[in-house]
Amino acid sequence: GAGVSQSPRYKVAKRGQDVALRCDPISGHVSLFWYQQALGQGPEFLTYFQNEAQLDKSGLPSDRFFAERPEGSVSTLKIQRTQQEDSAVYLCASSLVGLGSYNEQFFGPGTRLTVL
Amino acid sequence: SQQGEEDPQALSIQEGENATMNCSYKTSINNLQWYRQNSGRGLVHLILIRSNEREKHSGRLRVTLDTSKKSSSLLITASRAADTASYFCATDYGNKLVFGAGTILRVKS
Repeated sequence: GAGVSQSPRYKVAKRGQDVALRCDPISGHVSLFWYQQALGQGPEFLTYFQNEAQLDKSGLPSDRFFAERPEGSVSTLKIQRTQQEDSAVYLCASSLVGLGSYNEQFFGPGTRLTVL
Repeated sequence: SQQGEEDPQALSIQEGENATMNCSYKTSINNLQWYRQNSGRGLVHLILIRSNEREKHSGRLRVTLDTSKKSSSLLITASRAADTASYFCATDYGNKLVFGAGTILRVKS
C-alpha cells in the first residue's frame, strides 16, 4: 500500500512569505507527527495529532508555526512570515495507534524548505 | 535540544567490514530505536529494543542496550555499499521520538 506522502517535495520561499506543507498519512493511521530536521542534525519534534485533535504542540518554535488536521487524515503545517532559520526538511510521520502503546512511526520523504 | 548523541559523527569503511555506531541518551526510556536515512528512501525504522532487553538481532543488525550507562550500540555486519546512509538513534518521550544527531556511514566498494 501507499506510504506517507508529502508535498511539495521542495519549496523555495522568500523571507516573509507564508508557506503550507501537506502530509498525507497512511490510511487508517490515527496518529500524525511533524518533525523539523536542520542540515546535519536529527529530526526534532514539532507537534502531534491523534485523529483531528492536536495533543502536543510543544515543539513548535514560534507562533508563526501552525498545524492542523481538520478531518483526522491529511495535515497541513503552515509557516507564516518565513525566516531564514526556518530552512530545514519538514518530516511527517504517522502511526496506527495513539497514546499508551508503542507503534512504529512511518515517515514521509519530507519537504525541503529553503528560505532566501 | 536532542536527547541522544551518536558517535562517531562519521564513519568510512570498506565493503564487507563491520560498522559500529554508539548512542548515548539522557533520561530513562521505555525503548530505543534505530533509524536509517538516505536520500533515496527517507527515514526508515530499523530496529527497536525495549528497556528490559539487552541485545536484539535483525538480519545483519545487532543492537545492544545498557540502561545503567544510558547507551546503545548498533552493529552492522558484512557491510554493503547500500548501507551508506545516516543512522539515528531515537528514544520515545511521551508520544514523540527524540533523535540524536546521527552517524554518517560511508561504505566504499
